Amino acid sequence: GAVVSQHPSRVICKSGTSVKIECRSLDFQATTMFWYRQFPKQSLMLMATSNEGSKATYEQGVEKDKFLINHASLTLSTLTVTSAHPEDSSFYICSARDQGKAFFGQGTRLTVV
Amino acid sequence: AQTVTQSQPEMSVQEAETVTLSCTYDTSESDYYLFWYKQPPSRQMILVIRQEAYKQQNATENRFSVNFQKAAKSFSLKISDSQLGDAAMYFCAYLTQGAQKLVFGQGTRLTINP
Repeated sequence: GAVVSQHPSRVICKSGTSVKIECRSLDFQATTMFWYRQFPKQSLMLMATSNEGSKATYEQGVEKDKFLINHASLTLSTLTVTSAHPEDSSFYICSARDQGKAFFGQGTRLTVV
Repeated sequence: AQTVTQSQPEMSVQEAETVTLSCTYDTSESDYYLFWYKQPPSRQMILVIRQEAYKQQNATENRFSVNFQKAAKSFSLKISDSQLGDAAMYFCAYLTQGAQKLVFGQGTRLTINP
């Protein structure tokens, strides 16, 4: 199947700083990518839909200014957590679709201290 | 809005036995896709199986098969000859038309007993 690569896999940052997470489709082009957040022992919650060359679409309750999404090319979407706080600590996962199937990155465990 | 419900938070099965994970969903759409994903301790989401709603035939992938009941809006996953490597969280998911968003169920944690 198609491969989606997410980087970094783990990151620890200080409160108030920003963190950027990258999501790449390695062997296919993705005009649309998706960003999810997963709390421990819970399901995946869709945060936003990343659209190549245009603004992202955010789900209700997700702060656009805190979670900046950029999708500048057909193979790369980035999620920047701005002014991070401990409550932003979570597991973030990206996804892209190829031939009707969704493939996921390895996820990023963000810890804000 | 579409919803997906997995009513079994945890399931366990003996190695080599068969186990069925339940999933129900609610939708007003006539055409859609349903998926089962596996999330092992590594937390990498792995596609297990996909079912197109317009197909009456149940999807099968080696030891994994589904029982798709469109009228009942039920989509269960059967794992035959369970193996230790099957231990994971299993998520049922619905793909919406239009926005093409995946809606996930709450997940079922599957334990394989040796």
